[in-house]
Amino acid sequence: KAGVTQTPRYLIKTRGQQVTLSCSPISGHRSVSWYQQTPGQGLQFLFEYFSETQRNKGNFPGRFSGRQFSNSRSEMNVSTLELGDSALYLCASSLDPEDTEAFFGQGTRLTVV
Amino acid sequence: KQEVTQIPAALSVPEGENLVLNCSFTDSAIYNLQWFRQDPGKGLTSLLLIQSSQREQTSGRLNASLDKSSGRSTLYIAASQPGDSATYLCAALYQAGTALIFGKGTTLSVSS
Repeated sequence: KAGVTQTPRYLIKTRGQQVTLSCSPISGHRSVSWYQQTPGQGLQFLFEYFSETQRNKGNFPGRFSGRQFSNSRSEMNVSTLELGDSALYLCASSLDPEDTEAFFGQGTRLTVV
Repeated sequence: KQEVTQIPAALSVPEGENLVLNCSFTDSAIYNLQWFRQDPGKGLTSLLLIQSSQREQTSGRLNASLDKSSGRSTLYIAASQPGDSATYLCAALYQAGTALIFGKGTTLSVSS
């Protein structure tokens, strides 16, 4: 059974550019969550999708957005990149949003220069 | 405020030692608590999931306990090995929350 797949694994972007990250959940999982991990702040919640609907959103500016497709794959987009957006972006999938185990992908390492 | 705290932030032990990692959470109304392992630059690997109705879970040399009344969970690692060296994170899924809330982690180093 394939795990959570995140692409690309590494990205280098310039300030002001935009970027799109992709996450393919475990087959059968309909809930996808995104987290940002930095050395100073640890893991912070970005947003959660379930059955193509955004259920929850963390405390991030509107430059961060996402969506989920009918096959449960999810994308997140960051526009007008800032140096502080450099981080490891992690995606987690679960059967449903509550009371089930979350499985994480290997992450996308974004570096903004 | 819903928070998760992990103490200590770092721990160094010799191979073969049994050890305990601590996790505390601020609200007993949780769906579950999950322990993860993270190797440098990698994603999170799920180790153990404890549902709110459970008191403990075991997997191999790992045992995790949950005490909702005191807001604490512990991860017990028996007979530690150098391959156990990693950062261990606990995360609580609060019933009134939006997503998993993570602690900052405990970085474990096991020397041979």
